[in-house]
Amino acid sequence: KAGVTQTPRYLIKTRGQQVTLSCSPISGHRSVSWYQQTPGQGLQFLFEYFSETQRNKGNFPGRFSGRQFSNSRSEMNVSTLELGDSALYLCASSLAKTGSNTEAFFGQGTRLTVV
Amino acid sequence: AQKITQTQPGMFVQEKEAVTLDCTYDTSDPSYGLFWYKQPSSGEMIFLIYQGSYDQQNATEGRYSLNFQKARKSANLVISASQLGDSAMYFCAMREAVSGGYNKLIFGAGTRLAVHP
Repeated sequence: KAGVTQTPRYLIKTRGQQVTLSCSPISGHRSVSWYQQTPGQGLQFLFEYFSETQRNKGNFPGRFSGRQFSNSRSEMNVSTLELGDSALYLCASSLAKTGSNTEAFFGQGTRLTVV
Repeated sequence: AQKITQTQPGMFVQEKEAVTLDCTYDTSDPSYGLFWYKQPSSGEMIFLIYQGSYDQQNATEGRYSLNFQKARKSANLVISASQLGDSAMYFCAMREAVSGGYNKLIFGAGTRLAVHP
């Protein structure tokens, strides 16, 4: 069974540009959540999608957005990139619709560098 | 307010010995889940073990066990017979069922484990 796939693995972008990251969850998983990891702030929740609907959003500016497709694949977009957006972006997939009794599995992450 | 606390920024252990990584949490939700993840230098977050708040027994997965003390709000990870490949960053995380928690994980700051031969 394939795991969570994130593409691309590495990205280098210039300030002011925009970027789109992709996440394909484990087959059958309908929940995808996104996290930003930086040395200073640690792991922070960005947003979560289930059945193409955003259910939860973290405390990030509107430049960070996402969507989920009917096949559960998800994309996140960051517009007008800033140096501080340099981070490892991780997505996690999970089976459950609600509740806390299921595992969440992560992809390998996309390392974004903004120069 | 921070809900997951990992008080050990770094830990050292000799190969083949056991090690305990500490994690305390804070929640008012009676239904929650606790997770431990391993993150090697490659960056991937590897799921290790899960404990539900209503689980009666401590979770175990191979060499990993979770010492769940609900009253103390503690969820320590125990790694038995450490191996060199266990050297990595370890994160404790919590998911709450209410307040739209769904699959939103709150992470601790992590503990860097170094296994010495």
